Amino acid sequence: EAGVTQFPSHSVIEKGQTVTLRCDPISGHDNLYWYRRVMGKEIKFLLHFVKESKQDESGMPNNRFLAERTGGTYSTLKVQPAELEDSGVYFCASSLGLGRSSYNEQFFGPGTRLTVL
Amino acid sequence: AQSVTQLGSHVSVSEGALVLLRCNYSSSVPPYLFWYVQYPNQGLQLLLKYTTGATLVKGINGFEAEFKKSETSFHLTKPSAHMSDAAEYFCATLFGNEKLTFGTGTRLTIIP
Repeated sequence: EAGVTQFPSHSVIEKGQTVTLRCDPISGHDNLYWYRRVMGKEIKFLLHFVKESKQDESGMPNNRFLAERTGGTYSTLKVQPAELEDSGVYFCASSLGLGRSSYNEQFFGPGTRLTVL
Repeated sequence: AQSVTQLGSHVSVSEGALVLLRCNYSSSVPPYLFWYVQYPNQGLQLLLKYTTGATLVKGINGFEAEFKKSETSFHLTKPSAHMSDAAEYFCATLFGNEKLTFGTGTRLTIIP
């Protein structure tokens, strides 16, 4: 079974440009999460989709970040315009939708390393 | 707000020596606790987790962790380090929602 995949693995862009990151979750996983790790800091939650709906987007830094999950399959995270402080590793994770009474293990992708110059 | 603290951003141990990576959590109610590992160029992989029940949790690759409520700790140990254990390790907690809260990570180096 394929794991969570992310594309691209690396992206280097200039300040002010736009970048779109893609995440393909494990097939059948209703839950999809985005996390980010800025250099030297902890991995921080950005948002959580249940199918195509945003369940929790409390971690999104500002309105330059837009996440979508059309059709409830893959998700994209767009940064427009990118700023220097957006540099970091963006992780995607997915889990089954077993309901809130059960613990849903999150499976992580390898991450996308974003560098904004 | 709940949080986890990992003591030591870098830890070096000799091959065959004990590995001890420290994690303390802050929560008034015992949360779910996890250790994840990230090998170079790979994603985060779950090593072990504590949800309920037995406080000594065994994970993959010979790692284990003990949940100690009195010390609010969940330290990760392995009796004998192997070169393949070199990686970055993250402690994380989950309480009442779907958001994992991570520590800052500990990079483990194994000395031959």
